Order: sequence, then structure tokens, then C-alpha cells
Amino acid sequence: GQNIDQPTEMTATEGAIVQINCTYQTSGFNGLFWYQQHAGEAPTFLSYNVLDGLEEKGRFSSFLSRSKGYSYLLLKELQMKDSASYLCAVRDSNYQLIWGAGTKLIIKP
Amino acid sequence: DAMVIQNPRYQVTQFGKPVTLSCSQTLNHNVMYWYQQKSSQAPKLLFHYYDKDFNNEADTPDNFQSRRPNTSFCFLDIRSPGLGDAAMYLCATSEGREETDTQYFGPGTRLTVL
Repeated sequence: GQNIDQPTEMTATEGAIVQINCTYQTSGFNGLFWYQQHAGEAPTFLSYNVLDGLEEKGRFSSFLSRSKGYSYLLLKELQMKDSASYLCAVRDSNYQLIWGAGTKLIIKP
Repeated sequence: DAMVIQNPRYQVTQFGKPVTLSCSQTLNHNVMYWYQQKSSQAPKLLFHYYDKDFNNEADTPDNFQSRRPNTSFCFLDIRSPGLGDAAMYLCATSEGREETDTQYFGPGTRLTVL
């Protein structure tokens, strides 16, 4: 079966750095997406990785290792507004998006 | 601004009473998706349209139907809602179904079944 694993919940301090991990086992791989979802709202696109390595976009970076089936989302200089769920999704060989359940990130002052 | 719009944002229906949720897009994207998301769970794909081509997920109950009368609009019909159908329903669009095609989501409709 296809599986995406992420921690259920993480807590971090305002101004700090946090890394949210995602491991995946899918039938084929055609890219990995990270989305941010605030409570009661729709997911919004953050990043896309298809090649190994780090993609940086402002305070957010995403890393991919295809050989390890592993990605992480790195958030720097955390702000209170970063409190949200972060969803990892992998596009499989049928170009379907397989979603993780999301990691709820709690930011404390 | 180009966007994905869902109406209504909150819908309350009674057990067994048919309900229709709507989605429209100004992105002129070829693909439209309907997801069901329950609290603290991953979005679950119900079906998608690639242009007029309808693609149903194998485990989507027959109770759920969809219509796409034109490029801009897509509807989700729940014929006989049960208590287990209470969830957030998300509409998303993408330009195509290729590797780099990102899905863009509407704000969602939260369905309550009484």
C-alpha cells in the first residue's frame, strides 16, 4: 500500500527553527508537495520538490532524498501565524496525489 | 485575482436530505478535484474531472456524484447524506495532471449533517 508518515504534532518557540519530517512509500514518485493548512481553512501550496536537494523560499525550505523516501520542511524565524498544519503529499506513478495526515505545529511565545 | 471559489462556506443539512456543493474557478484550469477532509485527517480524493473526462476513485461511495457543466464550474451532489458525511469538502484545480502541476484549493465547504 501507499503510505505517507508525518509526526502528528510539534511545538516550537516563536523566533526559533523547526523541521517537519515526512517519509513516504508510494508506487512511483513524480514529485513531493508541502501545503500549509490553517484550522478550518483550505490547504495553500508551499513548495514542490522533484529532484534531490534543498529548495529555499524565504523563511521556508524543503528538502528531498528520493533514495531514502524522505523529505523535510524547515521553517526559520518562526512567527505566531505559522501555527498551522503542514501536509506532505506525493504524486505517484499514476500522477495521483497521496496525502499525509498533516503535522500540527504549535508556536509558543 | 484568479481563484477557486466555493459556495456555501458552511452548509447544514438533515440526515438523508440531498445537498449540492458548488465550486467555480477563474484560473481556466483543465482539472477540477473534490476532496473530503475530516478533522486531523488527510484530504481524501473523491473524484476529479480532466476537462469533461470524469474519474471516480474506487472507494468513493455511490452516494457522492459530481457534475461539471463547463470549464469553470463543478458540483458535488450528496444524494442521501449520513452522519458520517459531515466533513470539510475541498475543491481544487490544476492546469493539468503532469509532475509539476500544483493543485490550488478553494476555501472549502464545511458540511454539518443533523
